[in-house]
Amino acid sequence: GAGVSQTPSNKVTEKGKYVELRCDPISGHTALYWYRQSLGQGPEFLIYFQGTGAADDSGLPNDRFFAVRPEGSVSTLKIQRTERGDSAVYLCASSSGPRTEAFFGQGTRLTVV
Amino acid sequence: QKEVEQNSGPLSVPEGAIASLNCTYSDRGSQSFFWYRQYSGKSPELIMFIYSNGDKEDGRFTAQLNKASQYVSLLIRDSQPSDSATYLCAVSKAGTASKLTFGTGTRLQVTL
Repeated sequence: GAGVSQTPSNKVTEKGKYVELRCDPISGHTALYWYRQSLGQGPEFLIYFQGTGAADDSGLPNDRFFAVRPEGSVSTLKIQRTERGDSAVYLCASSSGPRTEAFFGQGTRLTVV
Repeated sequence: QKEVEQNSGPLSVPEGAIASLNCTYSDRGSQSFFWYRQYSGKSPELIMFIYSNGDKEDGRFTAQLNKASQYVSLLIRDSQPSDSATYLCAVSKAGTASKLTFGTGTRLQVTL
């Protein structure tokens, strides 16, 4: 695609529910990143994929968070038993390699009520 | 101490002036330094990156890096109202952009 596409753009869910956030990277980009941005803060690294594998998942806050990229393209960030503190904008970025510019999607605004 | 520190602002400069945005980082292992611009409600957009000590110029933008002082700055010459945004400083280790650590950003306001 022309850019990084994230769906949905907005998601409101009840505390305790499960959510999935989708990221469709720029075609051909092998590197994919998930970040989380809370209001008034900079993006916070969650996980980095190179191809299908998670090369660095050190930013995932706890075991309620999980991400997959089974075919090396689309990625899904999964959050179990959501908490109000999970409310944030979840940003996905992709790049053609680990040493090249990462382009961000427009993000998914998650609100846990 | 935060890994990447920025003054949150707002930094207000008149149109046509030079805006100077500053950032300090704590990890001496940091090797790559990035400036992103983020308009309200939008995603970050890369403005400049710098790897070596000194200055790097691109149009109206100049990035400056001083590894000894652990300091990186962004100068915007001839500031325009369209430059009004939050500027995020980000660093990474090992010369890759794979894991960026961001500051909280500095909000810049360019006044008419």
